[in-house]
Amino acid sequence: EVQLVESGGGMVQPGGSLRLSCAASGFTFSSYSMNWVRQAPGKGLEWVSYITGRSTKIYYADSVKGRFTVSRDNAKNSLYLQMNSLRVEDTAVYYCVRDESGDGPNWFDPWGQGTLVTVSS
Amino acid sequence: DIVMTQSPDSLAVSLGERATINCKSSQSVLYSPNNKNYLAWYQQKPGQPPKLLIHWASTRESGVPDRFSGSGSGTDFTLTITGLQAEDVAVYYCQQYYDTPSTTFGQGTRLEIK
Repeated sequence: EVQLVESGGGMVQPGGSLRLSCAASGFTFSSYSMNWVRQAPGKGLEWVSYITGRSTKIYYADSVKGRFTVSRDNAKNSLYLQMNSLRVEDTAVYYCVRDESGDGPNWFDPWGQGTLVTVSS
Repeated sequence: DIVMTQSPDSLAVSLGERATINCKSSQSVLYSPNNKNYLAWYQQKPGQPPKLLIHWASTRESGVPDRFSGSGSGTDFTLTITGLQAEDVAVYYCQQYYDTPSTTFGQGTRLEIK
């Protein structure tokens, strides 16, 4: 069974940093591109970042470019999101999602359960 | 970025009836060389992550009941649920992946039982 399990969320002050992790299992992790998608409380979905299986292509939403860094460790079947200079508007549930495209985000399947990041003073 | 606009924002439908959710893109998401519409639909039940229902505008995912169907082309798309069941209560989102990497979602449509 394909599983994606996020961790690392929590509460942080504006300007702070946080590193999210996503542990993948049930599929050949290195063969798939991965994304982070977020959802602010009670709001809709926003794509955040994309990384190909061998990390050859990486993309970010304009709202996080220069502050967030996506990476992966295929030996550990893990995806990461380093979030720096956090803002109140970054408060959201962050989902790890799999992607079959090697040329930018396509459709997302499956989704992890998500991890909540709260940025507040 | 391509703006995705769903209508209505919410709707209430009786059990067994048909629910229709619309999604309009600010520009065409039809790629002429392969004649594919770069559009997906998701279902998000309360307290759960989204679940992919349909991609390429009308290709249903394995395991998704056939009462869910997607249609449309270019800029106008529809998700239809025929024979609504109580378990279909959710928020539904459309997503365009034509303008990659700047993929965008609709604002969501909340479906309730009347």
